[in-house]
Amino acid sequence: RKEVEQDPGPFNVPEGATVAFNCTYSNSASQSFFWYRQDCRKEPKLLMSVYSSGNEDGRFTAQLNRASQYISLLIRDSKLSDSATYLCVVILYNQGGKLIFGQGTELSVKP
Amino acid sequence: DAGVIQSPRHEVTEMGQEVTLRCKPISGHDYLFWYRQTMMRGLELLIYFNNNVPIDDSGMPEDRFSAKMPNASFSTLKIQPSEPRDSAVYFCASMGTGDYGYTFGSGTRLTVV
Repeated sequence: RKEVEQDPGPFNVPEGATVAFNCTYSNSASQSFFWYRQDCRKEPKLLMSVYSSGNEDGRFTAQLNRASQYISLLIRDSKLSDSATYLCVVILYNQGGKLIFGQGTELSVKP
Repeated sequence: DAGVIQSPRHEVTEMGQEVTLRCKPISGHDYLFWYRQTMMRGLELLIYFNNNVPIDDSGMPEDRFSAKMPNASFSTLKIQPSEPRDSAVYFCASMGTGDYGYTFGSGTRLTVV
């Protein structure tokens, strides 16, 4: 089983739609969580951290459920520019703090 | 700051040749990571360094791969001999102690024919 698993995608949604991505992690020692965004043929870039209480950054909301070991990302009022691959990331502090990436979920927002 | 700088951006080489990928981390960052990305396997951590010392190389696929960090501003990832299955995008990333998340370089797209 992979350490971080994401919805397979791709997600094709119209502009203005609300879309949610889920991610599960297997290592209960995971302590920090992030969402990264990767545009086609570019490097991953940090989108937002995920806090235990949930957090919001504009149209983006991240949630963490430690009991069920899953993380979610909600995008409201999606824009064409949101089209990208979204990567779920966990830090394994019991393995020196390295980041483990999920496979990513591709989002395509259509006009 | 110029960010994490990788070179070359693209590399096409023949099977059996030696390939060297280079990375310059952000000044002051004391962690450096090498990742490989393919469609099949996604982003895989190959090796990472802390203060120029290799900490975890468990992701290095086999002995053909080696990485060095001779000083705080430079690292190399070498593949010798290269094989077609090594074709991938190789990313270098760096992070400072206490920072949140990594900063990635633009990657090296390697094609082994």
